[in-house]
Amino acid sequence: ETGVTQTPRHLVMGMTNKKSLKCEQHLGHNAMYWYKQSAKKPLELMFVYNFKEQTENNSVPSRFSPECPNSSHLFLHLHTLQPEDSALYLCASSQGLGGTQETQYFGPGTRLLVL
Amino acid sequence: DAKTTQPNSMESNEEEPVHLPCNHSTISGTDYIHWYRQLPSQGPEYVIHGLTSNVNNRMASLAIAEDRKSSTLILHRATLRDAAVYYCILRDGSQGGSEKLVFGKGTKLTVNP
Repeated sequence: ETGVTQTPRHLVMGMTNKKSLKCEQHLGHNAMYWYKQSAKKPLELMFVYNFKEQTENNSVPSRFSPECPNSSHLFLHLHTLQPEDSALYLCASSQGLGGTQETQYFGPGTRLLVL
Repeated sequence: DAKTTQPNSMESNEEEPVHLPCNHSTISGTDYIHWYRQLPSQGPEYVIHGLTSNVNNRMASLAIAEDRKSSTLILHRATLRDAAVYYCILRDGSQGGSEKLVFGKGTKLTVNP
């Protein structure tokens, strides 16, 4: 399944580094999402974009900065992260928002380790 | 969001049917029942969804109780590749409903050869 791709697949960074996660969807969808999955915790929604506009910020710390230049691409810029930010970061897309359109397609995730 | 309750884990044998239960006693009339699964080292993938009637697709069947307070995901012949965490999620299908997919802990399915 190559509908939603994420790069890099694995990332190790120090607390003072700046890095970016990239997500690309090839499904012609209009909505894109960032989720965080920490060990032994359920997936947590971080951000939602619809037609490039942010519609949801789930109280995410400012050290995570999303960017959505178009409906096919989504970035998550990372700076001055903490070790507790180590997690699997998942990108997803959907045709739109609401109702039965809400089938979301997930990428494989980026496994992030903050040292 | 209305909540769902699932067993933490279940086991099955290969090529046998698996019935994964989900309770959602506070479901509202516009909530769709969605199932996703997450295979090891992968992102979640959509399995099936329904509103009132039972649903079938190439992956699974969804049986919805008449009062809609519970549902069951049915894998007709489990394979080793079906070993995953299965999530039952309620989605608000009304206009302007929440775009959130609220994941719980799900049911970890182990398939024995």
